[in-house]
Amino acid sequence: EAGVAQSPRYKIIEKRQSVAFWCNPISGHATLYWYQQILGQGPKLLIQFQNNGVVDDSQLPKDRFSAERLKGVDSTLKIQPAKLEDSAVYLCASSLDLWTSLVLGLNEQFFGPGTRLTVL
Amino acid sequence: AQSVTQLGSHVSVSEGALVLLRCNYSSSVPPYLFWYVQYPNQGLQLLLKYTSAATLVKGINGFEAEFKKSETSFHLTKPSAHMSDAAEYFCAVTTGANSKLTFGKGITLSVRP
Repeated sequence: EAGVAQSPRYKIIEKRQSVAFWCNPISGHATLYWYQQILGQGPKLLIQFQNNGVVDDSQLPKDRFSAERLKGVDSTLKIQPAKLEDSAVYLCASSLDLWTSLVLGLNEQFFGPGTRLTVL
Repeated sequence: AQSVTQLGSHVSVSEGALVLLRCNYSSSVPPYLFWYVQYPNQGLQLLLKYTSAATLVKGINGFEAEFKKSETSFHLTKPSAHMSDAAEYFCAVTTGANSKLTFGKGITLSVRP
């Protein structure tokens, strides 16, 4: 079974530039998550999708970050414009739909390898 | 609200020694608890999870963890460390309502020859 795919793996940009990350979840997984992992910290949830709808984006800095999952499969996370403090690893994860996860007790999220962003 | 506390940022053990990584949680409802491992330049891999069944949970690579409600703890152990266990370990909690995971800040495990 193919895992969660992310691209690019590494990205270096200047501050105030724009950048986009792509994620392809495990086939059949309705729920998709984007996390930000700053060096020395645990991952922090930025946004959660159920199919193509947003479940939780309370910690997404909406003035500069945006995300979409138009067809309920792939997702794109964009930063525009980037700041120095956005340097981090951006992790994508996927899981079964929320109801199935709750009923079956299968609250497992599967993570991609991440995109390491450096803002200079 | 839910939270996880992982005290200390680095643990060093000798190969063959006991590994103990501590995790305490806070949750207003019965939690689901997880341990993830992250190797350099890789994503997170699930080691084990507690979902209200047995309180002693066995995971991959010889790791296990025990859920102790009275102590609000979910410490990770392995009887004998191997060099390949060197990595960063994250404890995480969710209440299951929306599967939102809250992570601790992680602990780096080093294994000395």
